[in-house]
Amino acid sequence: DTAVSQTPKYLVTQMGNDKSIKCEQNLGHDTMYWYKQDSKKFLKIMFSYNNKELIINETVPNRFSPKSPDKAHLNLHINSLELGDSAVYFCASSQNSGVGDTQYFGPGTRLTVL
Amino acid sequence: KNEVEQSPQNLTAQEGEFITINCSYSVGISALHWLQQHPGGGIVSLFMLSSGKKKHGRLIATINIQEKHSSLHITASHPRDSAVYICAALFSGSRLTFGEGTQLTVNP
Repeated sequence: DTAVSQTPKYLVTQMGNDKSIKCEQNLGHDTMYWYKQDSKKFLKIMFSYNNKELIINETVPNRFSPKSPDKAHLNLHINSLELGDSAVYFCASSQNSGVGDTQYFGPGTRLTVL
Repeated sequence: KNEVEQSPQNLTAQEGEFITINCSYSVGISALHWLQQHPGGGIVSLFMLSSGKKKHGRLIATINIQEKHSSLHITASHPRDSAVYICAALFSGSRLTFGEGTQLTVNP
């Protein structure tokens, strides 16, 4: 059974479109995250939710809007896609948001904006 | 400038060699994570530590809080250890900041 799953795995779209990436975890964790990995393989946190509440919101364009319908899901909606949004997006979860919590990563979604 | 620095950026070793990857960070942290990213892209958490040393199989992670430095060691390296190793520091506010990663290649 997959612990943290993301859909789709690959997403190719045109500039200006709106798209969503979904993430689900079946670990019973309270905290979920979205990370962006750029073409240089550098990972950066975007958002974190704890029990459906936003706790981390890094400097991310407001075209990116996370939505957490319940604590097992954290979806990422992106409006007006730009070329620079092309990256691999990773979802992750942890039991809590504290010091002792290992994060479990999803397989990633490779977004290509043409 | 990133708050988490890793070295080396690239590392090539022969099978069986002892490997060390270093990570330093700029200010006090709550914890430090070591992650492994496979060639296929999947990310696996190897260690989370806030003090001392942890060992799992051939992997050992240490952290020196005073010196703001952590190391990941791989003993008896094997080609299947080839991957990108990433350290990530947990700063205040639960903000995980990543190093740029170390590309390790272990040749048979």
